[in-house]
Amino acid sequence: EVQLVQSGAEVKKPGDSLKISCKGFGYSFASSWIGWVRQMPGKGLEWMGIIYPGNSETRYSPSFQGQVTISADKSISTAYLQWSSLKASDTAMYYCARRQDISTYYFAYWGQGTLVTVSS
Amino acid sequence: SYELTQPPSVSVSPGQTARITCSGDSLPNQYGYWYQQKPGQAPVVVIYKDRERPSGIPERFSGSSSGTTVTLTISGVLAEDEADYYCQSADTTGIYWAFGGGTKLTVL
Repeated sequence: EVQLVQSGAEVKKPGDSLKISCKGFGYSFASSWIGWVRQMPGKGLEWMGIIYPGNSETRYSPSFQGQVTISADKSISTAYLQWSSLKASDTAMYYCARRQDISTYYFAYWGQGTLVTVSS
Repeated sequence: SYELTQPPSVSVSPGQTARITCSGDSLPNQYGYWYQQKPGQAPVVVIYKDRERPSGIPERFSGSSSGTTVTLTISGVLAEDEADYYCQSADTTGIYWAFGGGTKLTVL
């Protein structure tokens, strides 16, 4: 069974750095694209970017390029989303999700979400 | 960046048919996908490749495509179908993906 397990909720202050994680189980982690999706409170889903853990090829939405860093460590089947300096506007639920296969452009499997709260 | 447009809300009575549209410039060349999200839960795909239904998704969910628009149809709507629905696709290169703004389905 494919599972994506995300790290727990975080409460941070503006200017803090943060790295959240997403560990994959039940499939070949290196061979499947993993993406990140933001959902701000009461708002819709936003595609942030996607990474292929096998070679770390990464693609970012223009809206998030330079704002976050997506990475992966295939040796421990884990993908990451990190910020160097958080802002209050980064407060959101963040989901990781696995692309179904290279012939399709959707997320078939989702993590449970990580709630990030940034407040002074 | 690539954009997909959905109506913010759709309301139907139980047993009626709900139709949610999604328009985007790349949809003639890329498939559309649909997710259902209930409060406090992660999204779940209900339609992929315009009209394919994953295992476990009820037959009352169907999808179609015409030109720059894809449509999610829910026939015989049940109260449990009340949720937010998001379309999703990719640009013509497949490099950039996007979600529509979401449609809140209210079952009256």
